[in-house]
Amino acid sequence: AQTVTQSQPEMSVQEAETVTLSCTYDTSESDYYLFWYKQPPSRQMILVIRQEAYKQQNATENRFSVNFQKAAKSFSLKISDSQLGDAAMYFCAYRSYFDNYGQNFVFGPGTRLSVLP
Amino acid sequence: SQTIHQWPATLVQPVGSPLSLECTVEGTSNPNLYWYRQAAGRGLQLLFYSVGIGQISSEVPQNLSASRPQDRQFILSSKKLLLSDSGFYLCAWSVARMGNYGYTFGSGTRLTVV
Repeated sequence: AQTVTQSQPEMSVQEAETVTLSCTYDTSESDYYLFWYKQPPSRQMILVIRQEAYKQQNATENRFSVNFQKAAKSFSLKISDSQLGDAAMYFCAYRSYFDNYGQNFVFGPGTRLSVLP
Repeated sequence: SQTIHQWPATLVQPVGSPLSLECTVEGTSNPNLYWYRQAAGRGLQLLFYSVGIGQISSEVPQNLSASRPQDRQFILSSKKLLLSDSGFYLCAWSVARMGNYGYTFGSGTRLTVV
């Protein structure tokens, strides 16, 4: 079974600075998808960014980018120019390419990010 | 555009009382629907998922049940709540054949069993 690990339970960053959240996963599959979700204090989970394992190019969404290292099974999230609204719990998630119905989404335990003014 | 509604936002229920949480999706048809639980300080646990009306798959044996009476309606129920049922419940939907899509989550229900 796949597992997702986020080794940093909590992190903090100064406003306008850059922070990187770590995520590693364990799988024997070669095709899969990776996601970062954000859960702000309002508690609604929001998709931040996704990456297909067959794409070598790292995904980017505005100030959010990932560093996908397939061989190392690493999928870190970089937040540039951090804003107060970025404060949230961030979840890394894995889904198998063959999981067409989404019942095998695997979420990490989360990293709580604080943004300091 | 698609939207997902989940209610109530918060709920305080005594032990042994029944539970009904409702989730509806608008702007799409034949979605996959999911119920997740997030216990304090812990990650997300998939409770149920549904790929069609009346089709419910349970991931975790417990005293909760789910039903999908209509295409875009998903209900989480319990006949008798336990203290351990306290947590944050999230409904989510996805397109039928997910491809590279993830979930879209509702705003969640904070359930406290006292």
